[in-house]
Amino acid sequence: QKEVEQDPGPLSVPEGAIVSLNCTYSNSAFQYFMWYRQYSRKGPELLMYTYSSGNKEDGRFTAQVDKSSKYISLFIRDSQPSDSATYLCAMNRGSYIPTFGRGTSLIVHP
Amino acid sequence: DTGVSQDPRHKITKRGQNVTFRCDPISEHNRLYWYRQTLGQGPEFLTYFQNEAQLEKSRLLSDRFSAERPKGSFSTLEIQRTEQGDSAMYLCASSLGGRDTDTQYFGPGTRLTVL
Repeated sequence: QKEVEQDPGPLSVPEGAIVSLNCTYSNSAFQYFMWYRQYSRKGPELLMYTYSSGNKEDGRFTAQVDKSSKYISLFIRDSQPSDSATYLCAMNRGSYIPTFGRGTSLIVHP
Repeated sequence: DTGVSQDPRHKITKRGQNVTFRCDPISEHNRLYWYRQTLGQGPEFLTYFQNEAQLEKSRLLSDRFSAERPKGSFSTLEIQRTEQGDSAMYLCASSLGGRDTDTQYFGPGTRLTVL
């Protein structure tokens, strides 16, 4: 079993939909949680990070962490075709080296 | 464009050949990371530098792999005697350092194909 599990998708939604992306993890030592966006043939780009249970909002994006369930989510409101990308969750133990999920491919169609 | 550059962007080589990749981090960043990403997977950590010191290496980094960061600026990743299983995207990232969650900025990657 991998330390970080993430459904690869693809997840296809219509423009304007609310998107929910999720990861589960097995290591309770993980303290910091991140979401990256990766467009095709590009490197990952950090979207959000959080280190506590609860919600963190940034524009159309909300990151949610539930440490008791070892479950994190990223919500995207009013999704746009430009949001079409692979979304990677990542987490670390307080060192600098994150463990990544395999990524979920999101397709937002007009 | 994050400011991290990698060269070349694509490399096709025959099995058994040596290849070298270069990463130029954001100039004031003192940490530099190498990752490998295969199709449908997330990036996997390979190694990490603090300035010129290589502080951590993954067990994924076999003896055929070597990385350097002379003078704490650019870094090179060399793969000797390439194998078909080395085919992947090699990503470089850099960060300022100083906090547990300091942001890593990724380059566009070098895509390696071993025939």
